Amino acid sequence: GAGVSQTPSNKVTEKGKYVELRCDPISGHTALYWYRQSLGQGPEFLIYFQGTGAADDSGLPNDRFFAVRPEGSVSTLKIQRTERGDSAMYLCASSLGAPTGEQDTQYFGPGTRLTVL
Amino acid sequence: AQTVTQSQPEMSVQEAETVTLSCTYDTSESDYYLFWYKQPPSRQMILVIRQEAYKQQNATENRFSVNFQKAAKSFSLKISDSQLGDAAMYFCAPPPFGNEKLTFGTGTRLTIIP
Repeated sequence: GAGVSQTPSNKVTEKGKYVELRCDPISGHTALYWYRQSLGQGPEFLIYFQGTGAADDSGLPNDRFFAVRPEGSVSTLKIQRTERGDSAMYLCASSLGAPTGEQDTQYFGPGTRLTVL
Repeated sequence: AQTVTQSQPEMSVQEAETVTLSCTYDTSESDYYLFWYKQPPSRQMILVIRQEAYKQQNATENRFSVNFQKAAKSFSLKISDSQLGDAAMYFCAPPPFGNEKLTFGTGTRLTIIP
């Protein structure tokens, strides 16, 4: 079946602009995660959805970052007033979403590389 | 806060040889899963292998196996018969807490020498 998809694959924007990054999880996966990965580093958690609600947004760096998942499937990560420091790879992952068990396994999308000039 | 340490930023191995990547972590949980992910250059993160903490037997997936030592909180990855396609960054992801977010190590860059 289809894996996690993310669009766009690359996004170049200017400092101060607004961007939206989209994630389509694997069909049937109720849990969805956003991570940010800087060059040469491991991914860092941003936010986790269980269904439509954000179960944990403790990784969002500041109030310029916001994410939604209105119908419990597709999610959009929104960044306002972008800064050069926001440049990174943004990864999305999904899992079946049970509290424990094999459903915990997260499957990652190819990522969106964001460059803020 | 959960911590994970991958003490080898870079490793290299001759093709067809065996290499072991190390990972140690800290958790207060007693029952959990651990994961190794692989990220080839400019490609997406792929699950390599997962270990269930309550199982005594170490997980194995073809050429990949783990050495899980629960008391020592150690979770190393062994790659046998290394192939050129194994070249990648390898990330250890120790147990998620109740909210399931993964905390990744800083990764080990594995180079395969032909």
